[in-house]
Amino acid sequence: DQQVKQNSPSLSVQEGRISILNCDYTNSMFDYFLWYKKYPAEGPTFLISISSIKDKNEDGRFTVFLNKSAKHLSLHIVPSQPGDSAVYFCAGDYGGATNKLIFGTGTLLAVQP
Amino acid sequence: DTAVSQTPKYLVTQMGNDKSIKCEQNLGHDTMYWYKQDSKKFLKIMFSYNNKELIINETVPNRFSPKSPDKAHLNLHINSLELGDSAVYFCASSQATPGVSNQPQHFGDGTRLSIL
Repeated sequence: DQQVKQNSPSLSVQEGRISILNCDYTNSMFDYFLWYKKYPAEGPTFLISISSIKDKNEDGRFTVFLNKSAKHLSLHIVPSQPGDSAVYFCAGDYGGATNKLIFGTGTLLAVQP
Repeated sequence: DTAVSQTPKYLVTQMGNDKSIKCEQNLGHDTMYWYKQDSKKFLKIMFSYNNKELIINETVPNRFSPKSPDKAHLNLHINSLELGDSAVYFCASSQATPGVSNQPQHFGDGTRLSIL
């Protein structure tokens, strides 16, 4: 049972335009949601997070939106740059005693110059 | 300065062998993790240690045994390797206090394990 889903395996965007990456979840118990970025042959790196009690968090070019009623979150990157080309993972954090992360399967973003 | 380092980066071995992957973090974090990324790119938690104490043990076969000699190290030993163990294994660490969320995990670059 996949609790965090990223239904788009890939996304291609022109440089300077907006990239929107989507994520759906089924478990209402997540305390936080996080986005990670991964380049080939490297480990995931933390990008931005949002508390389950918020609906928006912004950090520079990156904004994450949370719609709890729809159990949906999205990452917006504006403007997109070629260096943003990577795999983006969405993850739910249970918090509690374990801080266990449940990852989605990732979306490969390609930003075309 | 590498924050979370894993060795080896690549590991090719025969079915039935026993192998270990080492992980070290120099971030002063209290919690360390092992993840497995399978062929479908699904990244899944295997184990977590907080101050050398096991706190997460997902339904992983007994052939996998984590060992934490101190809070800066979490090694993964795998006995009797099987074809299905082929994957990329990632180590991670965080300054995670149980019960406190939003402590981002820092990942190593992974160990690609291939079973022949």
